[in-house]
Amino acid sequence: EAGVTQFPSHSVIEKGQTVTLRCDPISGHDNLYWYRRVMGKEIKFLLHFVKESKQDESGMPNNRFLAERTGGTYSTLKVQPAELEDSGVYFCASSLAGATDTQYFGPGTRLTVL
Amino acid sequence: QQQVKQSPQSLIVQKGGISIINCAYENTAFDYFPWYQQFPGKGPALLIAIRPDVSEKKEGRFTISFNKSAKQFSLHIMDSQPGDSATYFCAAKEQGAQKLVFGQGTRLTINP
Repeated sequence: EAGVTQFPSHSVIEKGQTVTLRCDPISGHDNLYWYRRVMGKEIKFLLHFVKESKQDESGMPNNRFLAERTGGTYSTLKVQPAELEDSGVYFCASSLAGATDTQYFGPGTRLTVL
Repeated sequence: QQQVKQSPQSLIVQKGGISIINCAYENTAFDYFPWYQQFPGKGPALLIAIRPDVSEKKEGRFTISFNKSAKQFSLHIMDSQPGDSATYFCAAKEQGAQKLVFGQGTRLTINP
């Protein structure tokens, strides 16, 4: 069974540009989460989808971040315009419906904003 | 403010020794405490988890000790091996909530 996949693995962009990160959850997982780890600090929750619906986006830093999950399958996280403080590793995780304790993480996208 | 505090930030242990990583929390609504292991280039992977109704859980060489009154929990790795070298994250989750709240991570190095 394939795990959670994320694309790209690395992205280097300049301040003010736009970047879109993609996450493909494990097939059949209704729950999809985005997390971020900045500069060796803790991994922080950004938001949670159940199928295509946003259930909790309390961790989204500001309105420069937009997450979508059209059709309830893969998800994208767009940062527009990117700022220096957006640099970090963005993780996607997924879990089965009703089993939110066990979250399976992808390898992450390392974003560097110059 | 950081809800889950993890220490140490880095740890070096000799092969065969015991590795101990500690976490503390304030939120008494937390009722699920997992530990994640992350190797370079990979995502965090669930290693072992505990709920507050037990004080200890053991899986192979990995043990979680949980102290509800002190609001602390720790990961013990017995007979540490070079292959255990990784970053370890403690985390916590409230009952009914979806998000995991993580500690800052501990980079563990096991010297051969």
